[in-house]
Amino acid sequence: SYVLTQPPSVSVAPGKTARITCGGNNIGSKSVHWYQQKPGQAPVLVIYYDSDRPSGIPERFSGSNSGNTATLTISRVEAGDEADYYCQVWDSSSDQGVFGGGTKLTVL
Amino acid sequence: EVQLVETGGGLIQPGGSLRLSCAASGFTVSSNYMSWVRQAPGKGLEWVSVIYSGGSTYYADSVKGRFTISRDNSKNTLYLQMNSLRAEDTAVYYCARDVLFPERLYQWGQGTLVTVSS
Repeated sequence: SYVLTQPPSVSVAPGKTARITCGGNNIGSKSVHWYQQKPGQAPVLVIYYDSDRPSGIPERFSGSNSGNTATLTISRVEAGDEADYYCQVWDSSSDQGVFGGGTKLTVL
Repeated sequence: EVQLVETGGGLIQPGGSLRLSCAASGFTVSSNYMSWVRQAPGKGLEWVSVIYSGGSTYYADSVKGRFTISRDNSKNTLYLQMNSLRAEDTAVYYCARDVLFPERLYQWGQGTLVTVSS
């Protein structure tokens, strides 16, 4: 089955840029979605189809996908961005959804 | 207002069965791609199942043959029938919907906790 690999944690100072990676075999050929989950809350879609933002998501959130790595970039990081972030794809070879293990973003 | 409300969670013994419900308001379940995703305590998200607007269903290997996703259009409700439950099925179960893309999870409910334990 298809595997997505994320770093367990990323730390960034307020106002700086955070980059969270999601690795997978030829992930650039798939469409990647990203979710933000704060403690005790349901996940929220923040990026879909690699780089599109749902309405209401700040422009500070952006995404890219190429080769074996997809990246969620959060610019001008704020304390309120502290959360777990998950990447997700559809594995057409097994007809199943797949999530990465999640990355905890800490704002220093 | 669009809303998804999961119910039906609780404590169940290993080998038992449970049916989760996801009541929808503000949209039509049958016109959306409806999914279940679970999260074990302190762990990450795990995709469980999806039902397409056309009725096709797909399952994670971990639940295939034990779980069944369905919907009742008259009640505008999504279900997850869970049989032969195991300790590793213990998790918060979320339902989610998307009107355009089956693999995207645009909007989520708040989840219901299922605990499988003797």
